[in-house]
Amino acid sequence: KQEVTQIPAALSVPEGENLVLNCSFTDSAIYNLQWFRQDPGKGLTSLLLIQSSQREQTSGRLNASLDKSSGRSTLYIAASQPGDSATYLCAVWSNNNDMRFGAGTRLTVKP
Amino acid sequence: NAGVTQTPKFRILKIGQSMTLQCTQDMNHNYMYWYRQDPGMGLKLIYYSVGAGITDKGEVPNGYNVSRSTTEDFPLRLELAAPSQTSVYFCASNLGGGALLPSSYNEQFFGPGTRLTVL
Repeated sequence: KQEVTQIPAALSVPEGENLVLNCSFTDSAIYNLQWFRQDPGKGLTSLLLIQSSQREQTSGRLNASLDKSSGRSTLYIAASQPGDSATYLCAVWSNNNDMRFGAGTRLTVKP
Repeated sequence: NAGVTQTPKFRILKIGQSMTLQCTQDMNHNYMYWYRQDPGMGLKLIYYSVGAGITDKGEVPNGYNVSRSTTEDFPLRLELAAPSQTSVYFCASNLGGGALLPSSYNEQFFGPGTRLTVL
């Protein structure tokens, strides 16, 4: 059974800092990995999707990497802004159409 | 495109009542999903469907039922509401397909959620 863990559970940084969010998974037989952003009381917004054959994806100030062999993904946020404050969720889609989510990292970027 | 829409946004039920959460997508996606999110937790998969007429159980299916009579609609039914079903429910969809398709085909799109309280 796939298990997804996100560390840290919460993170508070000053504006402008570069930061890394971590996601680990127990079964390397994955289809893809997706990072989402969730604002309080809202639904999920897709940030980046990495296919199992890819090593990383970039979008603006965001960069996500994937290392299947070690069961890890990182989300790098450059030059953080207060508008980046949200919960970031990692989700792993296994080859049997099963998508498992981590509990998320709650990020606060202070002005 | 409206994307994935869910109704209602909020609902309070009494123990033992039943209700249907509606989900519709207008992107002609093959795959649709229902998740629940408890406070401070990630999402857990309840049921999913890979096409009209096909449904399958996810991680936490007990107490729920689904149907998929059309590509667009994927309603979730609660027959006998229990306090343990108090949660936020999210519907999602994606185009589906194999690993050879571009990554955008596999992106998961989510609805805004339904907040359900069972008292």
